[in-house]
Formats: sequence, C-alpha cells, structure tokens
Amino acid sequence: DVKVTQSSRYLVKRTGEKVFLECVQDMDHENMFWYRQDPGLGLRLIYFSYDVKMKEKGDIPEGYSVSREKKERFSLILESASTNQTSMYLCASSLTLRSTEAFFGQGTRLTVV
Amino acid sequence: KNEVEQSPQNLTAQEGEFITINCSYSVGISALHWLQQHPGGGIVSLFMLSSGKKKHGRLIATINIQEKHSSLHITASHPRDSAVYICAVGETSGSRLTFGEGTQLTVNP
Repeated sequence: DVKVTQSSRYLVKRTGEKVFLECVQDMDHENMFWYRQDPGLGLRLIYFSYDVKMKEKGDIPEGYSVSREKKERFSLILESASTNQTSMYLCASSLTLRSTEAFFGQGTRLTVV
Repeated sequence: KNEVEQSPQNLTAQEGEFITINCSYSVGISALHWLQQHPGGGIVSLFMLSSGKKKHGRLIATINIQEKHSSLHITASHPRDSAVYICAVGETSGSRLTFGEGTQLTVNP
C-alpha cells in the first residue's frame, strides 16, 4: 500500500515558536506538496518540491519555508508561528500531477495559541 | 471567481438515495480528480478522469471536457459515505492541482 505519513495528527504551539511539520512518502515520488485547508477556502498550495533540494512557492508561501534534503521527506517550517496559521495542513506526493493521482497524508491540525 | 466551483456546498440525504455532486472549472486541464475526506482529515483519491466515465462500486464519475463539467454520483447512499467530497483539476499549464471548496455530504440512516 502506498503511504504518505505526517509526523503529527494534532499540534498545539505558542505564538512565536518555530514549528516543524514532517512528511514522508514511500513511493519514490518526485513531487511533494504542502497545503493548508481552511473552511470556505478549500486547499491552498503553500510550497511544492519536484526534486531533492528543489522548491517552488505556491499560492500562500508567506510565513513558511520548506526543506527537502532527501527524496522521501518534505518538511514544512513555520519560522515564527502566528495565530493566523492555525489550520489543517496536508502533505501530498505524486509522480507527476499531469498524468497520475496524488496521494495525501492524514493531515496535521495545528493550533497556535 | 474560483477556477473550480462545486455544488452544492452542503448536501443531506437519506440512506438509499441517489446523490450527485457537481464540479465546473474554467481552465484547460490535463485531468480532474475526485477526492474524499472523512472527519479527522485524511484525503483519499477516488477517481482521476481525463474523459468519459469511471465506475468503482457505488461511485460513478463523469466528465464533459467541452462543457468543462464533471459529476460524482453515489448510488444507494449509506451513512458511511458521509464525508467531504473535493473536486480538483490538474491544469495543462502547470504541475499543480487547483481545488474546489468541497461538498459536505451527510447521509442519515
């Protein structure tokens, strides 16, 4: 079975903390993605990576950075967490989104207090 | 205006009913995806379509490329079908997905 695993299901962090969300896939996929999901807004792309050490900004990259040191792992970093970053975060991977399906992790619900 | 629009936003049905969720898009696409998200957050891919129709169990997905429209049908709905159903398109101009806002389906016993 294909698998995308996010390190935490639920996280509570304080304003100003540096937060790391980890995602690991076991399918040798080239592409990995971080989304956030908010009521009424759907899923929005934060960053994606199409290869090791390669990254591209998505639609809402402000306040976030990413790291992809190994093909299977894609990390989302909140440099200084703020309350408006309270959200559901979803990681996904795909061989290529032009022709194959995307596989999603189970999501991390982050609350910043 | 969103590039991907779903309707309805919320849908409540009785067990056994036939359900249709609609998705319209305004961009050129390489494929359209239907996704399911249960409470708790995890997303599962149901279908990927570039033309015609696909069926898996009680689920049927259709797409009309000329009209830029897709439908997801659920026959003989069951309470376990209660979830958020999300339409997403892979655009021909890029390598990412654009998502609709989702349809919250509740099937009552």
